[in-house]
Amino acid sequence: GENVEQHPSTLSVQEGDSAVIKCTYSDSASNYFPWYKQELGKGPQLIIDIRSNVGEKKDQRIAVTLNKTAKHFSLHITETQPEDSAVYFCAARRWAAGNKLTFGGGTRVLVKP
Amino acid sequence: DTAVSQTPKYLVTQMGNDKSIKCEQNLGHDTMYWYKQDSKKFLKIMFSYNNKELIINETVPNRFSPKSPDKAHLNLHINSLELGDSAVYFCASSPFSGPNNEQFFGPGTRLTVL
Repeated sequence: GENVEQHPSTLSVQEGDSAVIKCTYSDSASNYFPWYKQELGKGPQLIIDIRSNVGEKKDQRIAVTLNKTAKHFSLHITETQPEDSAVYFCAARRWAAGNKLTFGGGTRVLVKP
Repeated sequence: DTAVSQTPKYLVTQMGNDKSIKCEQNLGHDTMYWYKQDSKKFLKIMFSYNNKELIINETVPNRFSPKSPDKAHLNLHINSLELGDSAVYFCASSPFSGPNNEQFFGPGTRLTVL
């Protein structure tokens, strides 16, 4: 089955700096890669996703890149703000595999003002 | 106007007891899920139902039994609770197929087994 590894497990950045989180996946048939943000005491919320026919996607301060050959994808947050502090999860899914998402271990991001 | 709701939010119980967690979604989705998040924040799928039919059943002890009375509800019943069942349980829902089948998560139920 799919295995997703995520690094780093914790990330501390100064407000205004950029944050990068990296994930690798094992199943070459995976073709959908969402990123979720989980704030304290809440459920995960989708912030951006990318499909295997696209190499990069951007939405305001967040962007995701995908390298299918190397089987890795990354989340980039620019101009970080204190409200970006949360746990971020990457995930991977094989198309039509019952919508089963396999999650990475999570990255706790702390943005220091 | 809550999209995916779960009750209760907190559940504290003794080992050996039986408990249920309820989930409801008002998004009109066909598919619902149960996830378990352990103390290290690792998030793992347990079950998925599509239109009341079980489609994903991960390696979960048979003490856990999901039930979907209709496609808007997915409940989780746990028998003979053990210490290791302590975790946060999340319900989620999504359309079954299509390009935008994002999964929406509920607020979670924190289960503590003493």
